[in-house]
Amino acid sequence: GAGVSQSPSNKVTEKGKDVELRCDPISGHTALYWYRQRLGQGLEFLIYFQGNSAPDKSGLPSDRFSAERTGESVSTLTIQRTQQEDSAVYLCASSPQTAMNTEAFFGQGTRLTVV
Amino acid sequence: QKEVEQDPGPLSVPEGAIVSLNCTYSNSAFQYFMWYRQYSRKGPELLMYTYSSGNKEDGRFTAQVDKSSKYISLFIRDSQPSDSATYLCAMSVYNDYKLSFGAGTTVTVRA
Repeated sequence: GAGVSQSPSNKVTEKGKDVELRCDPISGHTALYWYRQRLGQGLEFLIYFQGNSAPDKSGLPSDRFSAERTGESVSTLTIQRTQQEDSAVYLCASSPQTAMNTEAFFGQGTRLTVV
Repeated sequence: QKEVEQDPGPLSVPEGAIVSLNCTYSNSAFQYFMWYRQYSRKGPELLMYTYSSGNKEDGRFTAQVDKSSKYISLFIRDSQPSDSATYLCAMSVYNDYKLSFGAGTTVTVRA
């Protein structure tokens, strides 16, 4: 496809379970970003990748959160031992260079609900 | 105090009205200012991107930045029902990856 694709679109999980969220960036985009959008709040930066490396992980809320990117393409955000406060929409974006500007595009997000 | 403040609304206007949205911020180092539109169950899409102070116009949309007041605005002229969405302001110090977002204002344009 031409855009950023995220899967699943929706995920309901029980508290304490692990979840994996996937992001397929636009082909050729070397930079990839993860943001979190809680209900009624602005987007929060989580982590970004330049190629396969993650120079800035400062936004990850706790050590239960991790992310990786392979082949300068697909990225996976993993949340271990999910808590109710992890419920949010997780958004991925990609761009040709490291900048959230006119060349960066978001996916539709994964809506995570922890029950 | 949040770094970026945005009135969450909701805002309801009749078709054809001018929609006025705004954000205030506390970090005087912000230089890049953006407005995103987000339809329900979709990702944000970039509407306007401006650097430093001044006005920028794109069709029915006008973005204004007043750095002295730490205040940015988005105006939508001749609003249409298709403009019904949540509008998010965002800003950054550098032209880079880390944006600070407002909470978003939900707008409904009534036909």
